[in-house]
Amino acid sequence: AQTVTQSQPEMSVQEAETVTLSCTYDTSESDYYLFWYKQPPSRQMILVIRQEAYKQQNATENRFSVNFQKAAKSFSLKISDSQLGDAAMYFCAYRNQAGTALIFGKGTTLSVSS
Amino acid sequence: GAVVSQHPSRVICKSGTSVKIECRSLDFQATTMFWYRQFPKQSLMLMATSNEGSKATYEQGVEKDKFLINHASLTLSTLTVTSAHPEDSSFYICSASSASGRAIDEQFFGPGTRLTVL
Repeated sequence: AQTVTQSQPEMSVQEAETVTLSCTYDTSESDYYLFWYKQPPSRQMILVIRQEAYKQQNATENRFSVNFQKAAKSFSLKISDSQLGDAAMYFCAYRNQAGTALIFGKGTTLSVSS
Repeated sequence: GAVVSQHPSRVICKSGTSVKIECRSLDFQATTMFWYRQFPKQSLMLMATSNEGSKATYEQGVEKDKFLINHASLTLSTLTVTSAHPEDSSFYICSASSASGRAIDEQFFGPGTRLTVL
């Protein structure tokens, strides 16, 4: 069975600084998809970024980028120029090629201070 | 992006009663919908996968007779918590995938329903 591990329950960053959230996963499949979701206090899940495992190039969405290391099964999220609105719980998620349900990590609560 | 709604957003009920939560895809057809449960400051735990026109597939440990899921159309899935008890109090979230069936497709999440059982 696939598992997703987020080893940082809480992280903090100062406004305008950069922070990296860690995620590792375990799977025996070669093709799969990885996601980072943001859950603000409203609890609405928001897709931040996605990565297809067969693509070597790391995904980037504005201030958000990932460091995808397939051999190490690592998928970290880097947030540059952090903003107060980035404060939320962040979940790393895995989805297999068949498109079954997302498997979530336990989440990392990010706080941003001014 | 596509929109998924949930109704109600919040419900308080007495122990022993049943509660129905609706999940609707407003502007796309969802062949598959997923139901998750989330306790405070914890992750989303998958309860069941619902495909339109067929019986839901429940995760291990989820009582299918207690959590009744119906996916009668491509835009609506319902979760009924039968004979609710205080331990069923939680945040319930649905998500939907588009009919294209591609695994990379985004799952669109509803805003969630907070259930409190007194």
